[in-house]
Amino acid sequence: EPEVTQTPSHQVTQMGQEVILRCVPISNHLYFYWYRQILGQKVEFLVSFYNNEISEKSEIFDDQFSVERPDGSNFTLKIRSTKLEDSAMYFCASRIYGYTFGSGTRLTVV
Amino acid sequence: QQQVKQSPQSLIVQKGGISIINCAYENTAFDYFPWYQQFPGKGPALLIAIRPDVSEKKEGRFTISFNKSAKQFSLHIMDSQPGDSATYFCAASPGGTASKLTFGTGTRLQVTL
Repeated sequence: EPEVTQTPSHQVTQMGQEVILRCVPISNHLYFYWYRQILGQKVEFLVSFYNNEISEKSEIFDDQFSVERPDGSNFTLKIRSTKLEDSAMYFCASRIYGYTFGSGTRLTVV
Repeated sequence: QQQVKQSPQSLIVQKGGISIINCAYENTAFDYFPWYQQFPGKGPALLIAIRPDVSEKKEGRFTISFNKSAKQFSLHIMDSQPGDSATYFCAASPGGTASKLTFGTGTRLQVTL
């Protein structure tokens, strides 16, 4: 069964540093997403991406966040200057009809 | 209006019993209602989903009941097994191209022997 692949599985970074979370969506999917889940809380929408541009973003997705699909396969989330409160699981998802989520990247900001 | 309210927060069911998780929504633009199962350290995995033109959908031991007028939907897990122990999230999304998901707060299910 096709999978959404996320790397790394766990990243520890110092506050103020830039991080890039990487995702390889399912190849024939058209819509791409980032969600995050703070420990023990619900999954929250960050951003959707379609046809090489952002379709929608939440209020969480401020100027510190950006997304890119630099080639035909990768989809990245960049956080420019990480804060302690950015510590969470970040899930990439892709969709043609139903969603498929990756296993997530646990980001720990210290 | 974008919220999806989910209850209970946690649930303990004996093996072979029925697990019932409920969700309610306000936004009438929602037209797709999936349930996700999440194991620790993993991403949410689609379990079953329903659209509002039907009142019930069954897949194996999992059934969604949908009440459009009450704006409520529920997940029933029949013959619950220890392997069903996980966190369950309901979600909803509107029509349209991007169709972001709005998740409920999750229910931690424990199935005991």
